[in-house]
Amino acid sequence: AQSVTQPDIHITVSEGASLELRCNYSYGATPYLFWYVQSPGQGLQLLLKYFSGDTLVQGIKGFEAEFKRSQSSFNLRKPSVHWSDAAEYFCAVAPGGDKLVFGAGTILRVKS
Amino acid sequence: DADVTQTPRNRITKTGKRIMLECSQTKGHDRMYWYRQDPGLGLRLIYYSFDVKDINKGEISDGYSVSRQAQAKFSLSLESAIPNQTALYFCATNFRGTGLNTGELFFGEGSRLTVL
Repeated sequence: AQSVTQPDIHITVSEGASLELRCNYSYGATPYLFWYVQSPGQGLQLLLKYFSGDTLVQGIKGFEAEFKRSQSSFNLRKPSVHWSDAAEYFCAVAPGGDKLVFGAGTILRVKS
Repeated sequence: DADVTQTPRNRITKTGKRIMLECSQTKGHDRMYWYRQDPGLGLRLIYYSFDVKDINKGEISDGYSVSRQAQAKFSLSLESAIPNQTALYFCATNFRGTGLNTGELFFGEGSRLTVL
């Protein structure tokens, strides 16, 4: 069965520091890959997605993610974190393009 | 107005009661989903529907049922609520697309259910 692993439950970074959130997936072929963000009390908003082509994808709010087939990873990065980035981040895969499977989420805390 | 609307947003109920969570969308999407979110577990799929006459179980469908009354409406029912169904429930929609349109879900703001 397909699965998504986000190894870090919580991450704390200082405002202005760089950020990397890890995501590994288990699937035989290259799935569709997504990163969503959930601010407190809100639904999930799509940050970026990967389907094919360039393995470095740009998203909203200054985020980017890199697909590495050899590592089955799709890590999310941001060069300089802002206090407003504090939220929970979910990696998700859609193996056949249907029915997203989500990771457990990583809670990001930003300290000033 | 939100494209995907869930009602109620918050509900407290007692064990054994029947509860219905409703979802309506104005995006014109044919596919609708119900997910459950628990801390540390992410979102898990309960049921999904690709069309009005299509209902499919997700990974955690036991104790739940759904009804797709129209293309725009998808409701989730708990026939006899139990405390471990306390969670945040999300409705989501998408359409059968191709390429970069594939898979992206559009979420409602969630319905927080507490079962005492």
